[in-house]
Amino acid sequence: AQSVTQPDIHITVSEGASLELRCNYSYGATPYLFWYVQSPGQGLQLLLKYFSGDTLVQGIKGFEAEFKRSQSSFNLRKPSVHWSDAAEYFCALADSGYALNFGKGTSLLVTP
Amino acid sequence: GAGVSQTPSNKVTEKGKYVELRCDPISGHTALYWYRQSLGQGPEFLIYFQGTGAADDSGLPNDRFFAVRPEGSVSTLKIQRTERGDSAVYLCASSLKPGELFFGEGSRLTVL
Repeated sequence: AQSVTQPDIHITVSEGASLELRCNYSYGATPYLFWYVQSPGQGLQLLLKYFSGDTLVQGIKGFEAEFKRSQSSFNLRKPSVHWSDAAEYFCALADSGYALNFGKGTSLLVTP
Repeated sequence: GAGVSQTPSNKVTEKGKYVELRCDPISGHTALYWYRQSLGQGPEFLIYFQGTGAADDSGLPNDRFFAVRPEGSVSTLKIQRTERGDSAVYLCASSLKPGELFFGEGSRLTVL
């Protein structure tokens, strides 16, 4: 069965510091992987996606993620966090179909 | 409108009542999804439509839940004999490409 695990429920980062949010997946083949962000009062928004090819993918808002097959991971990174990045972040996986299987999310708090 | 629209944004009902939640997807998006999100959890897949037909309804928790999309655009999620455990935010999304979902802001259902 496919599944996504986000080990960190909450992360606190100082504004300007770097960020890494962890995501591990369980799937028999190469999955399609995604990161979504959910800000208060807003719908979920796609940050980036990995289907195949280059394992380092760039997304919107300065985010990137790296697919590591050997570690079954797809961690999200940002070199310098802004206060507006405070939100809930979800990693998601899809097999060849359209439906996404989401992790439980990581809540990011940004301190001044 | 440009985005996915969901109505009502909030619905409070009594245990045992019938509820309908509506989703108006982005024009031209062939795929439409319903998810459910409980507090502190990631979105949980319910059902996915491709056009008018339900391509995958494996996430519907039981036969009290039903969804339709009669003309391949607007969709309605129907919940019969509501229970307190049905309280959650019901999210609708639409897409043209696999995994690239555009979400609405959700309908918050509270069952008293």
